[in-house]
Amino acid sequence: DAGVTQSPTHLIKTRGQQVTLRCSPISGHKSVSWYQQVLGQGPQFIFQYYEKEERGRGNFPDRFSARQFPNYSSELNVNALLLGDSALYLCASSLSTATNYGYTFGSGTRLTVV
Amino acid sequence: GESVGLHLPTLSVQEGDNSIINCAYSNSASDYFIWYKQESGKGPQFIIDIRSNMDKRQGQRVTVLLNKTVKHLSLQIAATQPGDSAVYFCAAPLAGGTSYGKLTFGQGTILTVHP
Repeated sequence: DAGVTQSPTHLIKTRGQQVTLRCSPISGHKSVSWYQQVLGQGPQFIFQYYEKEERGRGNFPDRFSARQFPNYSSELNVNALLLGDSALYLCASSLSTATNYGYTFGSGTRLTVV
Repeated sequence: GESVGLHLPTLSVQEGDNSIINCAYSNSASDYFIWYKQESGKGPQFIIDIRSNMDKRQGQRVTVLLNKTVKHLSLQIAATQPGDSAVYFCAAPLAGGTSYGKLTFGQGTILTVHP
């Protein structure tokens, strides 16, 4: 089975631009979470989606938005990019939000803002 | 909310030694903790988890110890191998809950294993 797939793997954008990152969960997984990992730090929670509904949002500005599609894939959008948005963006998926179901992480999208 | 942190940013060991990576947490109501391993260019990989009704849990070559009194947990890796070289994170659910999907991570400990 394929794991969590994220695209693109690397991306370079200019300050002020907008970016869309994509995530395909493991087949059958209905929950997706997004994390931002700045170099040298641990991942920081951005969003959680389950059955196409937002189930949680971390401490990120409104420039960050996300959605989940009927096939459970997800997109993370970031508007008006800042240099500080440069990071590894991780997507994780799970069967459910229930506590006894683990989340599997993808390898991430490396975003560089110049 | 919950915050987790690690005592040491780096740990260097010889192949075959045992490794111990430590983590402190702030929310005494937290009742679920996870250790992740992250290799270069990859996402975090689940290693082992523990709930607050336990003080020890063992996996294959790994043991997690939880001390709720001092809000501390540790990851012990037995007979460390070069393939164990990676960054190790402890994580806990945000807001002290038990949802996997909303986690807070520590900064990580870089484990380097020398042959």
